[in-house]
Amino acid sequence: DAGITQSPRHKVTETGTPVTLRCHQTENHRYMYWYRQDPGHGLRLIHYSYGVKDTDKGEVSDGYSVSRSKTEDFLLTLESATSSQTSVYFCAISVWGPGTGSNEQFFGPGTRLTVL
Amino acid sequence: DAKTTQPPSMDCAEGRAANLPCNHSTISGNEYVYWYRQIHSQGPQYIIHGLKNNETNEMASLIITEDRKSSTLILPHATLRDTAVYYCIVRLTNTDKLIFGTGTRLQVFP
Repeated sequence: DAGITQSPRHKVTETGTPVTLRCHQTENHRYMYWYRQDPGHGLRLIHYSYGVKDTDKGEVSDGYSVSRSKTEDFLLTLESATSSQTSVYFCAISVWGPGTGSNEQFFGPGTRLTVL
Repeated sequence: DAKTTQPPSMDCAEGRAANLPCNHSTISGNEYVYWYRQIHSQGPQYIIHGLKNNETNEMASLIITEDRKSSTLILPHATLRDTAVYYCIVRLTNTDKLIFGTGTRLQVFP
């Protein structure tokens, strides 16, 4: 599991409240990602990070922000949660193969968020 | 745009080989083919990847056609624990982004 944990694992909140999800890794990897997964869809990339204070948007970034002040933590914030953000959120890290130009992503266990 | 096409579902008898096809007709010469799987409610799990040659590891084999427009993931002796959604993904060399499609739901039955 590449030492990836996510917290909380489950959360129920109300529309309009702020929510922060945490991804923590223990192996000092630079590349980290946040995805969401909804029924009938594969995973969709929200934001990603290539290092401390180096973040960028993915394909579904509206309504989300991220921060990375330490290598081991990547935070995903919903400033004002909406029902459309009810989803399962996965964090991932990338591990690059030596000199092959390829990498593998390892995923955390997921956070199930329900916005009422 | 996932750039891959997979059947939505397949069945396989336990102990038999599961052959999961994937079409990637627009693949470029510098794009890898990756396979991940997702067992119910868990995060996706890396299985295997390849560029041009067939690949094998302890989990599966990957057969890529000579023109690279399609590939097949082979689980040689499927078990009930292999029941999962299998995603075929193409990814540019030296980039890290994965674009997931909807995958193939493999059901292994006793």
